[in-house]
Parts: sequence; structure tokens; C-alpha cells
Amino acid sequence: GAGVSQSPSNKVTEKGKDVELRCDPISGHTALYWYRQSLGQGLEFLIYFQGNSAPDKSGLPSDRFSAERTGGSVSTLTIQRTQQEDSAVYLCASSLFRPRRTGELFFGEGSRLTVL
Amino acid sequence: AQSVTQLDSHVSVSEGTPVLLRCNYSSSYSPSLFWYVQHPNKGLQLLLKYTSAATLVKGINGFEAEFKKSETSFHLTKPSAHMSDAAEYFCVVSEGNNDMRFGAGTRLTVKP
Repeated sequence: GAGVSQSPSNKVTEKGKDVELRCDPISGHTALYWYRQSLGQGLEFLIYFQGNSAPDKSGLPSDRFSAERTGGSVSTLTIQRTQQEDSAVYLCASSLFRPRRTGELFFGEGSRLTVL
Repeated sequence: AQSVTQLDSHVSVSEGTPVLLRCNYSSSYSPSLFWYVQHPNKGLQLLLKYTSAATLVKGINGFEAEFKKSETSFHLTKPSAHMSDAAEYFCVVSEGNNDMRFGAGTRLTVKP
């Protein structure tokens, strides 16, 4: 497709279970971001991938969160031992190489995670 | 590290009156600054950007923002609000490492 694709769009899980969220960026975009959007909390930066460079993981809230990007394309965000406070919409965005200059982040529609 | 502070979590205006959404930034370098808009049940969309060219930046739908280094501000304005402007607005800062940090957002309500 032409846009950023995220799956699943909705995920309901039980506390303590692991979840995986997937992001397919726009083809050719080297930068990929994960954000978390909680009600009333705005967008929280989680992790940033740029090409083959080491990712910027400074936003990951705990060691239960991890992400990888295979082959410079698809990315998976994994949350282990989910907690109720993990409930949020997880947004993925991709960009051409110089997002600082263009500012053009292309967002997916998000994965809504509900932890019961 | 860079950060932004959006000074109002909620702004309410009447249709046809001016809009002012305030944003202050913190950055160790010459930052790039952006405003994004998120309409209800829609994805985020770039509204405008400042990347060290003209300090007054014009965006889509009649919005503008002015970069004021002395005040470390990048406030978003529009002369006359329209009902369709009701949305969540995010101020974003980026430094040389290319990561993009979002503010907490300002919800704009437009009353008829």
C-alpha cells in the first residue's frame, strides 16, 4: 500500500500477557518511529530507527518494551508482561532520511491496546 | 535533549475569532519546529514547519506560526477560526539527531 500500515488495529489482552504490534512503513522510508498516545497524555516518544544505525531507545518506559526493525523495513514493538497502564494507542510513523528538515512524518492509524 | 511545552491543554474560541495556540521549546541546537494536527478519528497531519528559513511560516488552512528565538516560542495562530479547525494540535521539536519530540497537545474547540 501507499501508506504506513499497522496491525492489529485493536488488541485486547489480559494483564501479564505479551503482545506484538507490527508496522509496515512506506517503501523507501529509512526513518521509523514508535509513539504512544494515551488519553490526555499527548504523544510519548518510544523509539526511533534510522537506516542501519543503532536505534534511539531513550523513550522506552521500561525493559518490558522492546522493538526491532528487520531489513530496514518492517518493525515490531513487543510489550512483555502487559500492565493496565500500557493501555494506549501505539502509533508508528515513517519518514524520508531527513525528517528534521522536512518534518513530514507519515503516521499509521495506530494499534489500540487494551489491557484488562 | 530537546523538548516542547504546550502552554494550554484546551483552548475554546468562537467561530470567526482569532486562534492562538502556544508552544515553547527547549533545545541545545538550532531546532526545527513543526505543528501537527489530529482531527477526531483521523491520523496526524503536518500543518506547517520551521527549518531555519523565514521565521514566519505559513501552513495549510490559513494557519501560521512565528519562530521567536529570544522567547523560545513557536506559537500557532489563525486570524479567523472555522468549525472544521476543531482538533488536537501538537507542537514538535527536532534537533540534529533527527528525532521528533511531540508536546502534550492542545485541544481546540470552536463554538458556533
